Amino acid sequence: GQNIDQPTEMTATEGAIVQINCTYQTSGFNGLFWYQQHAGEAPTFLSYNVLDGLEEKGRFSSFLSRSKGYSYLLLKELQMKDSASYLCAVKVPWGGATNKLIFGTGTLLAVQP
Amino acid sequence: DAGVTQSPTHLIKTRGQQVTLRCSPKSGHDTVSWYQQALGQGPQFIFQYYEEEERQRGNFPDRFSGHQFPNYSSELNVNALLLGDSALYLCASSSGDYYEQYFGPGTRLTVT
Repeated sequence: GQNIDQPTEMTATEGAIVQINCTYQTSGFNGLFWYQQHAGEAPTFLSYNVLDGLEEKGRFSSFLSRSKGYSYLLLKELQMKDSASYLCAVKVPWGGATNKLIFGTGTLLAVQP
Repeated sequence: DAGVTQSPTHLIKTRGQQVTLRCSPKSGHDTVSWYQQALGQGPQFIFQYYEEEERQRGNFPDRFSGHQFPNYSSELNVNALLLGDSALYLCASSSGDYYEQYFGPGTRLTVT
Protein backbone atom coordinates (compact mmCIF):
# COMPACT_ATOMS: atom_id res chain seq x y z
CA GLY A 1 0.00 0.00 0.00
CA GLN A 2 0.87 3.65 -0.23
CA ASN A 3 0.70 5.90 2.82
CA ILE A 4 1.90 9.45 3.43
CA ASP A 5 1.41 11.12 6.80
CA GLN A 6 1.58 14.82 7.67
CA PRO A 7 0.20 16.80 10.60
CA THR A 8 -3.19 18.25 9.75
CA GLU A 9 -2.62 21.73 11.12
CA MET A 10 0.19 23.85 12.58
CA THR A 11 0.39 27.36 13.97
CA ALA A 12 3.50 29.55 14.11
CA THR A 13 4.44 33.16 14.75
CA GLU A 14 5.59 35.68 12.19
CA GLY A 15 9.40 35.79 12.05
CA ALA A 16 9.80 32.35 13.62
CA ILE A 17 10.92 29.00 12.17
CA VAL A 18 8.57 26.06 11.58
CA GLN A 19 9.25 22.46 10.60
CA ILE A 20 6.59 20.41 8.81
CA ASN A 21 7.19 16.66 8.92
CA CYS A 22 6.21 14.00 6.41
CA THR A 23 6.57 10.24 6.79
CA TYR A 24 5.88 7.79 3.99
CA GLN A 25 5.50 4.07 3.35
CA THR A 26 5.33 3.45 -0.39
CA SER A 27 5.98 0.69 -2.89
CA GLY A 28 9.15 2.15 -4.31
CA PHE A 29 10.57 5.64 -4.10
CA ASN A 30 11.89 7.90 -6.85
CA GLY A 31 11.79 11.28 -5.16
CA LEU A 32 9.83 13.54 -2.81
CA PHE A 33 8.24 16.90 -3.53
CA TRP A 34 6.92 19.71 -1.38
CA TYR A 35 4.22 21.99 -2.75
CA GLN A 36 2.59 25.10 -1.33
CA GLN A 37 -1.11 25.63 -1.91
CA HIS A 38 -2.99 28.77 -0.94
CA ALA A 39 -6.72 28.41 -0.42
CA GLY A 40 -8.56 28.04 -3.73
CA GLU A 41 -5.37 28.08 -5.76
CA ALA A 42 -3.19 25.53 -7.54
CA PRO A 43 -0.23 23.88 -5.79
CA THR A 44 3.11 25.53 -6.55
CA PHE A 45 6.43 23.70 -6.49
CA LEU A 46 8.74 24.36 -3.51
CA SER A 47 11.37 21.63 -3.45
CA TYR A 48 12.43 18.22 -4.69
CA ASN A 49 14.61 15.66 -2.88
CA VAL A 50 15.82 12.41 -4.35
CA LEU A 51 19.00 11.85 -2.30
CA ASP A 52 19.42 11.97 1.47
CA GLY A 53 20.27 15.30 2.98
CA LEU A 54 19.25 18.91 3.09
CA GLU A 55 18.29 21.06 0.10
CA GLU A 56 18.23 24.80 0.80
CA LYS A 57 16.43 27.40 -1.29
CA GLY A 58 16.17 30.83 0.29
CA ARG A 59 13.86 30.76 3.32
CA PHE A 60 12.80 27.19 2.51
CA SER A 61 14.78 24.00 3.13
CA SER A 62 13.80 20.38 2.71
CA PHE A 63 15.39 17.30 4.24
CA LEU A 64 15.14 13.65 3.24
CA SER A 65 16.07 10.38 4.92
CA ARG A 66 15.18 7.48 2.62
CA SER A 67 16.10 4.81 5.19
CA LYS A 68 13.62 6.32 7.67
CA GLY A 69 10.94 7.19 5.11
CA TYR A 70 11.01 10.73 6.45
CA SER A 71 11.18 14.26 5.16
CA TYR A 72 10.66 17.72 6.57
CA LEU A 73 10.12 21.18 5.17
CA LEU A 74 11.72 24.01 7.14
CA LEU A 75 10.41 27.53 6.75
CA LYS A 76 12.50 30.35 8.22
CA GLU A 77 11.65 34.00 8.93
CA LEU A 78 7.97 33.26 8.59
CA GLN A 79 5.79 35.81 6.86
CA MET A 80 2.01 36.19 6.90
CA LYS A 81 1.91 35.17 3.24
CA ASP A 82 3.33 31.76 4.20
CA SER A 83 -0.09 30.86 5.62
CA ALA A 84 -1.10 28.03 3.29
CA SER A 85 -1.38 24.27 2.98
CA TYR A 86 1.90 22.40 2.45
CA LEU A 87 1.67 19.16 0.51
CA CYS A 88 4.19 16.33 0.65
CA ALA A 89 4.17 14.13 -2.48
CA VAL A 90 6.16 10.99 -3.22
CA LYS A 91 7.06 9.89 -6.75
CA VAL A 92 6.66 6.13 -7.06
CA PRO A 93 7.36 3.81 -9.99
CA TRP A 94 4.23 2.88 -11.95
CA GLY A 95 4.95 0.33 -14.62
CA GLY A 96 7.72 0.48 -17.15
CA ALA A 97 9.65 3.71 -17.02
CA THR A 98 6.77 5.81 -15.73
CA ASN A 99 6.11 7.29 -12.31
CA LYS A 100 3.14 8.76 -10.50
CA LEU A 101 2.79 11.18 -7.61
CA ILE A 102 1.07 10.25 -4.37
CA PHE A 103 0.09 13.22 -2.20
CA GLY A 104 -0.35 13.49 1.52
CA THR A 105 -3.43 15.27 2.85
CA GLY A 106 -1.47 18.47 3.42
CA THR A 107 -0.55 20.50 6.50
CA LEU A 108 -2.47 23.74 6.97
CA LEU A 109 -0.06 26.32 8.38
CA ALA A 110 -1.42 29.44 10.07
CA VAL A 111 1.08 32.24 10.66
CA GLN A 112 0.04 34.62 13.41
CA PRO A 113 1.30 38.17 14.03
CA ASP B 1 4.43 32.33 -21.95
CA ALA B 2 1.10 31.18 -20.53
CA GLY B 3 1.27 28.50 -17.91
CA VAL B 4 -1.23 25.71 -17.55
CA THR B 5 -4.77 26.92 -18.19
CA GLN B 6 -8.06 25.25 -17.29
CA SER B 7 -11.67 25.94 -18.13
CA PRO B 8 -14.18 26.54 -16.80
CA THR B 9 -13.18 28.01 -13.44
CA HIS B 10 -16.35 26.96 -11.70
CA LEU B 11 -19.15 24.60 -12.65
CA ILE B 12 -22.42 23.52 -11.03
CA LYS B 13 -24.07 20.31 -12.20
CA THR B 14 -26.90 18.07 -11.08
CA ARG B 15 -26.56 14.42 -10.09
CA GLY B 16 -26.63 12.12 -13.11
CA GLN B 17 -25.38 14.75 -15.54
CA GLN B 18 -22.15 14.65 -17.49
CA VAL B 19 -19.34 17.19 -17.42
CA THR B 20 -16.27 17.99 -19.54
CA LEU B 21 -13.30 19.89 -18.15
CA ARG B 22 -10.51 21.26 -20.32
CA CYS B 23 -6.81 21.82 -19.87
CA SER B 24 -4.10 23.44 -21.98
CA PRO B 25 -0.57 22.52 -20.92
CA LYS B 26 2.37 24.85 -20.50
CA SER B 27 4.21 25.53 -23.74
CA GLY B 28 6.70 22.76 -24.46
CA HIS B 29 4.98 20.20 -22.24
CA ASP B 30 3.60 16.99 -23.74
CA THR B 31 2.28 15.14 -20.67
CA VAL B 32 -0.95 15.98 -18.85
CA SER B 33 -2.04 14.56 -15.51
CA TRP B 34 -5.43 15.03 -13.87
CA TYR B 35 -6.08 15.10 -10.13
CA GLN B 36 -9.17 15.33 -7.93
CA GLN B 37 -8.83 17.31 -4.71
CA ALA B 38 -11.63 17.13 -2.17
CA LEU B 39 -11.86 19.87 0.44
CA GLY B 40 -9.15 19.48 3.07
CA GLN B 41 -7.46 16.62 1.23
CA GLY B 42 -4.42 16.24 -0.97
CA PRO B 43 -4.80 15.76 -4.74
CA GLN B 44 -5.70 12.23 -5.83
CA PHE B 45 -4.26 11.03 -9.15
CA ILE B 46 -6.92 10.25 -11.76
CA PHE B 47 -4.92 9.54 -14.92
CA GLN B 48 -2.10 10.75 -17.13
CA TYR B 49 -2.00 11.29 -20.89
CA TYR B 50 1.02 11.18 -23.14
CA GLU B 51 1.08 11.02 -26.93
CA GLU B 52 -2.73 11.03 -26.99
CA GLU B 53 -2.95 7.85 -24.92
CA GLU B 54 -3.82 7.15 -21.31
CA ARG B 55 -0.52 6.06 -19.86
CA GLN B 56 -1.43 5.60 -16.20
CA ARG B 57 -4.66 5.45 -14.23
CA GLY B 58 -5.41 5.87 -10.56
CA ASN B 59 -8.17 4.22 -8.57
CA PHE B 60 -11.13 5.93 -10.24
CA PRO B 61 -14.18 4.30 -11.86
CA ASP B 62 -14.76 4.16 -15.59
CA ARG B 63 -17.15 7.09 -15.26
CA PHE B 64 -13.97 9.16 -15.41
CA SER B 65 -12.49 9.26 -18.89
CA GLY B 66 -10.21 11.54 -20.78
CA HIS B 67 -8.65 12.50 -24.02
CA GLN B 68 -5.53 14.20 -25.26
CA PHE B 69 -5.42 16.07 -28.56
CA PRO B 70 -2.52 16.43 -31.03
CA ASN B 71 -1.74 19.88 -29.58
CA TYR B 72 -1.33 18.18 -26.15
CA SER B 73 -4.41 19.81 -24.64
CA SER B 74 -6.63 17.46 -22.70
CA GLU B 75 -10.20 16.89 -21.55
CA LEU B 76 -11.55 15.14 -18.49
CA ASN B 77 -15.06 13.72 -18.79
CA VAL B 78 -17.15 12.53 -15.88
CA ASN B 79 -20.43 10.70 -16.54
CA ALA B 80 -23.35 10.01 -14.21
CA LEU B 81 -22.21 12.60 -11.68
CA LEU B 82 -22.48 11.80 -7.98
CA LEU B 83 -22.54 14.21 -5.06
CA GLY B 84 -19.12 12.83 -4.08
CA ASP B 85 -17.64 14.06 -7.34
CA SER B 86 -17.77 17.62 -5.99
CA ALA B 87 -14.13 18.70 -5.78
CA LEU B 88 -11.39 20.84 -7.25
CA TYR B 89 -10.09 19.20 -10.43
CA LEU B 90 -6.47 20.00 -11.14
CA CYS B 91 -4.58 19.55 -14.35
CA ALA B 92 -0.79 19.39 -14.31
CA SER B 93 1.56 19.36 -17.27
CA SER B 94 5.13 18.22 -17.60
CA SER B 95 7.74 17.26 -20.13
CA GLY B 96 8.87 13.80 -19.16
CA ASP B 97 9.63 13.50 -15.47
CA TYR B 98 7.43 14.93 -12.72
CA TYR B 99 10.19 17.30 -11.65
CA GLU B 100 8.92 19.83 -14.13
CA GLN B 101 5.24 19.38 -13.30
CA TYR B 102 3.20 22.59 -13.22
CA PHE B 103 -0.38 22.82 -11.99
CA GLY B 104 -3.23 24.78 -13.49
CA PRO B 105 -5.60 26.89 -11.38
CA GLY B 106 -8.19 24.12 -11.26
CA THR B 107 -11.90 23.76 -11.97
CA ARG B 108 -14.22 23.81 -8.96
CA LEU B 109 -17.05 21.33 -9.66
CA THR B 110 -20.12 21.33 -7.47
CA VAL B 111 -22.69 18.56 -7.89
CA THR B 112 -26.12 19.20 -6.37
